[in-house]
Amino acid sequence: GNSVTQMEGPVTLSEEAFLTINCTYTATGYPSLFWYVQYPGEGLQLLLKATKADDKGSNKGFEATYRKETTSFHLEKGSVQVSDSAVYFCALSEEDQGGSEKLVFGKGTKLTVNP
Amino acid sequence: KAGVTQTPRYLIKTRGQQVTLSCSPISGHRSVSWYQQTPGQGLQFLFEYFSETQRNKGNFPGRFSGRQFSNSRSEMNVSTLELGDSALYLCASSFAEPFLSPLHFGNGTRLTVT
Repeated sequence: GNSVTQMEGPVTLSEEAFLTINCTYTATGYPSLFWYVQYPGEGLQLLLKATKADDKGSNKGFEATYRKETTSFHLEKGSVQVSDSAVYFCALSEEDQGGSEKLVFGKGTKLTVNP
Repeated sequence: KAGVTQTPRYLIKTRGQQVTLSCSPISGHRSVSWYQQTPGQGLQFLFEYFSETQRNKGNFPGRFSGRQFSNSRSEMNVSTLELGDSALYLCASSFAEPFLSPLHFGNGTRLTVT
């Protein structure tokens, strides 16, 4: 079946450092790709998404590009802030025969940004 | 606009009991999905409802069930609880088809089974 693999955490950075969180996927067809963020004690929030190859999703300074040739969707930010400390999940959409879709998530990467 | 509301926020049950969790989607959203989050397995899809019909189901035993009401509110039920059912249960809603519009997640119900 479809799967998502993202880099193991935790990741600890200093404020203003560059962030990359790697994400690769295995899928049949052409799924949409997502990054979700989970802050402590909260549910998941959609950070960005891309629906087709070469699309770039961006939000709040974060970016990720849908790379079909390398089956990757790496998350990047040029300068992280303490407020970016959270758990980041890469996900893909999987459609079943009935047309319903669900999300397949990676294991999550915990990011801690120190002042 | 109110977000996705899940109740209760925390729950403690003992093995063998059953539990019902509730989810109120964002007003106007017709699709409701449920996910289980555990440290070992991560986030796993349970089921999705659209207009009171279950459209998709994940690989969970029949002890896990759900339903959706005409006002789009949803409940999930777990019977004969096992220790391994301890998890954060997340509900998500969307306006129509789940990926034509973004999924909005609630803050979850933390279930502890002792």
